[in-house]
Amino acid sequence: AQTVTQSQPEMSVQEAETVTLSCTYDTSESNYYLFWYKQPPSRQMILVIRQEAYKQQNATENRFSVNFQKAAKSFSLKISDSQLGDTAMYFCAFIPGTASKLTFGTGTRLQVTL
Amino acid sequence: GAVVSQHPSRVICKSGTSVKIECRSLDFQATTMFWYRQFPKKSLMLMATSNEGSKATYEQGVEKDKFLINHASLTLSTLTVTSAHPEDSSFYICSARDEAGEGDEQFFGPGTRLTVL
Repeated sequence: AQTVTQSQPEMSVQEAETVTLSCTYDTSESNYYLFWYKQPPSRQMILVIRQEAYKQQNATENRFSVNFQKAAKSFSLKISDSQLGDTAMYFCAFIPGTASKLTFGTGTRLQVTL
Repeated sequence: GAVVSQHPSRVICKSGTSVKIECRSLDFQATTMFWYRQFPKKSLMLMATSNEGSKATYEQGVEKDKFLINHASLTLSTLTVTSAHPEDSSFYICSARDEAGEGDEQFFGPGTRLTVL
């Protein structure tokens, strides 16, 4: 069974600063996808960024980038130039290439302050 | 990105009644949809996988007779909470898999807050 671990229940960052959210996972699969989802107070789940395991290059989406360490089974999210609108719960998620069920981590609550 | 809607966004019902929640993929077809339950400040817990034209697959510990799922078309799945009780109060979220998309991406509905009195 796959597991996803987010060891930081809460984090805080000042506006314009950079913050890194950690995520580790455990799987025996060789092909899989990793995601970071954002859930703001509205509770709408929003995809932030995705990474295919077979791609060595770290994914980036504007201010969001990941540090994907396949051997270490680590998938951290870096948010640069943090904005107040980044305040949300962030969930790391995993899906094997052979299945379609997402496994979510427990989430990290990020608060961006002035 | 693809859009998934849910209706209603919130519902309050009396104990013992049944409540139906709809999940629609608006601009794509989805043979597979998923139903999640989320408790306050917790992660999403997968309840079941809804398969168009066939029976849903329920996760361990989820009562299939309590949470009825119907996926009658490629754009609609429904979750019916039967004989609801206060402990069924929760936030229910659906997602739909866009098979034409990349990486098995799932698109999420805005959720339904159910309160059982």
